[in-house]
Amino acid sequence: DQQVKQNSPSLSVQEGRISILNCDYTNSMFDYFLWYKKYPAEGPTFLISISSIKDKNEDGRFTVFLNKSAKHLSLHIVPSQPGDSAVYFCAATVMNRDDKIIFGKGTRLHILP
Amino acid sequence: DAGITQSPRHKVTETGTPVTLRCHQTENHRYMYWYRQDPGHGLRLIHYSYGVKDTDKGEVSDGYSVSRSKTEDFLLTLESATSSQTSVYFCAIKDVGGYEQYFGPGTRLTVT
Repeated sequence: DQQVKQNSPSLSVQEGRISILNCDYTNSMFDYFLWYKKYPAEGPTFLISISSIKDKNEDGRFTVFLNKSAKHLSLHIVPSQPGDSAVYFCAATVMNRDDKIIFGKGTRLHILP
Repeated sequence: DAGITQSPRHKVTETGTPVTLRCHQTENHRYMYWYRQDPGHGLRLIHYSYGVKDTDKGEVSDGYSVSRSKTEDFLLTLESATSSQTSVYFCAIKDVGGYEQYFGPGTRLTVT
């Protein structure tokens, strides 16, 4: 059973507009969430994270929102740029208890010119 | 750059042959992980290590074994490769007290 779900396999967004990538989780023990970005033929790179004590974390053009009651998080990219075209993985873990993180299946983001 | 390398970067092998992939880090991180990435499956944990000679299974460990005899190296072995093990394999490292894992460049393995 998938504990971290990214229900959109792909997403296309116009350059300059906002990209919103969504992620749902089923395990209510998860309290730390991460987003990774992956280009073809490269390893995933850490992008941004959020702990459950916050509902928003911002880093430049990237903002992650967490809705604990809905078990939902989203990554907003504003404005979207061509270099943002990549696969984005959502991941979750339990702080101070687990050394593993569970990844979603990923969403491929295409930024259109 | 997290100071993590993987070798080989590409390998083609035949069904039934043993294969060993190597992950090497220069960061002295305690935790090391092996994942495989397949279309439609995302990243799935094979095995991980929480110290020298300390390892544990992940969600897709069948057909794989690992060894860690020193901090900097984590080896993944396919004892008898099968076509279902054709995949891209990623190694990752993590420091004590942190939650972010940092990934190597990957090894593309093809089993014919």
